[in-house]
Amino acid sequence: QVQLVESGGGLVKPGGSLRLSCAASGFTFSDYYMSWIRQAPGKGLEWVSYVSSSAGSIYYADSVKGRFTISRDNARNSLFLQMNSLRAEDTAFYYCARDAPRSTYGLDAFDIWGQGTMVTVSS
Amino acid sequence: QLVLTQSPSASASLGASVKLTCTLSSGHTTYAIAWHQQKPEKGPRYLMKLNSDGGHNRGDGIPDRFSGSSSGAERYLTISSLQSEDEADYYCQTWSSGIRVFGGGTKLTVL
Repeated sequence: QVQLVESGGGLVKPGGSLRLSCAASGFTFSDYYMSWIRQAPGKGLEWVSYVSSSAGSIYYADSVKGRFTISRDNARNSLFLQMNSLRAEDTAFYYCARDAPRSTYGLDAFDIWGQGTMVTVSS
Repeated sequence: QLVLTQSPSASASLGASVKLTCTLSSGHTTYAIAWHQQKPEKGPRYLMKLNSDGGHNRGDGIPDRFSGSSSGAERYLTISSLQSEDEADYYCQTWSSGIRVFGGGTKLTVL
């Protein structure tokens, strides 16, 4: 079945780094844009970044620009988020989501979500 | 600036209907949106995509108790025959080139 499974979360000190992964299955990964979304404890959803199907277009929220890097490996059906210079305010559940189909030029809804991985930034 | 506005909370009785609202910012009133449901301690779940003309496509396995409608800048999610399992946070989401946006979410309580 269509599935996204995140991994790589954990406890990290301020200023540290962490790399999240998202394994996709059940669909043609290379046909879809992909996004990372986060949710701080008790807060709402915040979009973090998206990457186009071919990785030719990448965008970030201002809150993470210059610190986070999104990437994908279509051969391994995997999405990644490299997080550097982590701050306490980056503490959140991080979700990957299937974004728009390539055929829509990146303009469509998230329609599949992973279960999330928790990132805690604390000394 | 592309912004979605939702009321923080709503409540309705078991078996009744409830209509949640998501408002698009000025200049973006023709945008389509999506509705997502998030139950406590769970990841979000896609409910439907909703167009400006009210046309909507539910996600796989989403019961027809969940429906969408539109009027101007407003996008609505109506849940009929409310069940206790519908108690959750509901988020609207939209998109444009280079950005994805969420509303602040509405916490639905089933009385």
